[in-house]
Amino acid sequence: QSVVTQPPSASGTPGQRVTISCSGSSSNIGSNTVNWYQQLPGTAPKLLIYSNNQRPSGVPDRFSGSKSGTSASLAISGLQSEDEADYYCATWDDSLNGVVFGGGTKLTVL
Amino acid sequence: QVQLQESGPGLVKPSQTLSLTCTASGGSISSGSYYWSWIRQPAGKGLEWIGRIYTSGSTNYNPSLKSRVTISVDTSKNQFSLKLSSVTAADTAVYYCAGGVGYYDSSGYYYGFDYWGQGTLVTVSS
Repeated sequence: QSVVTQPPSASGTPGQRVTISCSGSSSNIGSNTVNWYQQLPGTAPKLLIYSNNQRPSGVPDRFSGSKSGTSASLAISGLQSEDEADYYCATWDDSLNGVVFGGGTKLTVL
Repeated sequence: QVQLQESGPGLVKPSQTLSLTCTASGGSISSGSYYWSWIRQPAGKGLEWIGRIYTSGSTNYNPSLKSRVTISVDTSKNQFSLKLSSVTAADTAVYYCAGGVGYYDSSGYYYGFDYWGQGTLVTVSS
């Protein structure tokens, strides 16, 4: 049972906008920055969003992140079939003195 | 651009110690404010952070695994390693090594994984 909670699944049709939530507490999301990782089937995760809302070089601007209080969100606009993947939020937890991952959200493009 | 590669036995017997090494190429693990982590993922499940090490040797571990985990670094070989003792079937997973910078700023503590190995499957079975 992760201390950071994500919905297990999300879905959308091509071209739609979908959002994935990530809920935590004052000791993790409330105090520190949130990163998002995309894991395509059979591959290692890849950093998608860092420091709440920053995109690494090469990540399309269709992906955006936000944070408010103890929650964060990942938004994907103009959904494409290649976006079908597992998405994880992660942050530092001051009480655990370590990284905590959300349970992951499986995104299906219908 | 740093590339990471995990290596070690793919099969470990119950109660024994799992040992993996991550070798970095394309850059030095001693450069910058980089922390080097181990992360695992059981089949069909989510990611679990195991722990990290700084090149000074300072470590942080997941409290749920702390009593069984040791992470070490060998800067001369550009490697860091994981040892997990007293393994059971529950430790069967793909193990990833990963690295990124860690720092405090006005938004709190940042620690993200810029670099990932491809992962290696470790099965615990007799």
